[in-house]
Amino acid sequence: TQLLEQSPQFLSIQEGENLTVYCNSSSVFSSLQWYRQEPGEGPVLLVTVVTGGEVKKLKRLTFQFGDARKDSSLHITAAQPGDTGLYLCAGAKGSARQLTFGSGTQLTVLP
Amino acid sequence: GAVVSQHPSWVICKSGTSVKIECRSLDFQATTMFWYRQFPKQSLMLMATSNEGSKATYEQGVEKDKFLINHASLTLSTLTVTSAHPEDSSFYICSARAVGAGSPLHFGNGTRLTVT
Repeated sequence: TQLLEQSPQFLSIQEGENLTVYCNSSSVFSSLQWYRQEPGEGPVLLVTVVTGGEVKKLKRLTFQFGDARKDSSLHITAAQPGDTGLYLCAGAKGSARQLTFGSGTQLTVLP
Repeated sequence: GAVVSQHPSWVICKSGTSVKIECRSLDFQATTMFWYRQFPKQSLMLMATSNEGSKATYEQGVEKDKFLINHASLTLSTLTVTSAHPEDSSFYICSARAVGAGSPLHFGNGTRLTVT
């Protein structure tokens, strides 16, 4: 059983559309990170959120941490083919130095 | 920025042989490194936590005698897949965290292992 469930698992959309990816858990996390990974490469950190209710924006990407710090969302506006990749959320608990990764969302943006 | 180098980036080996994968932190010291395994289009599965100067901590279901981890210095951890079988074929990724509370996790670029 995945501690962090992401939905949808796969998403294929047209260029210019908006989308939201969800990361849900029954556990509370002290911080949550979002990564994007391309085939054959390691994950690249996009953002870290630490405060319940926090919203962070990174160009066309908006990240939100749930008030109870159990869930998070990633919204992409006007998706572009360059946004294609595997999006992973990952949570940290307390002072633990390891991350628990979500189940992943494979996004494909078609030109 | 901090860089984690993983080597080799890909390797093909025959069944029964052993393969060593290196993970180096290039510009910071890492007391803790993590090893993950990833299947195509799936998430990262933590295999073990590598601790400098002590034994690695393995996740449930990961055979410590098959996946040997050595963290001999603050900048190098190695994962050796012993007596590899085709089912060990996968993408292996390491990550490292610098010393200090709140320091971010940096990932290597992964190693694609194919066992024939």
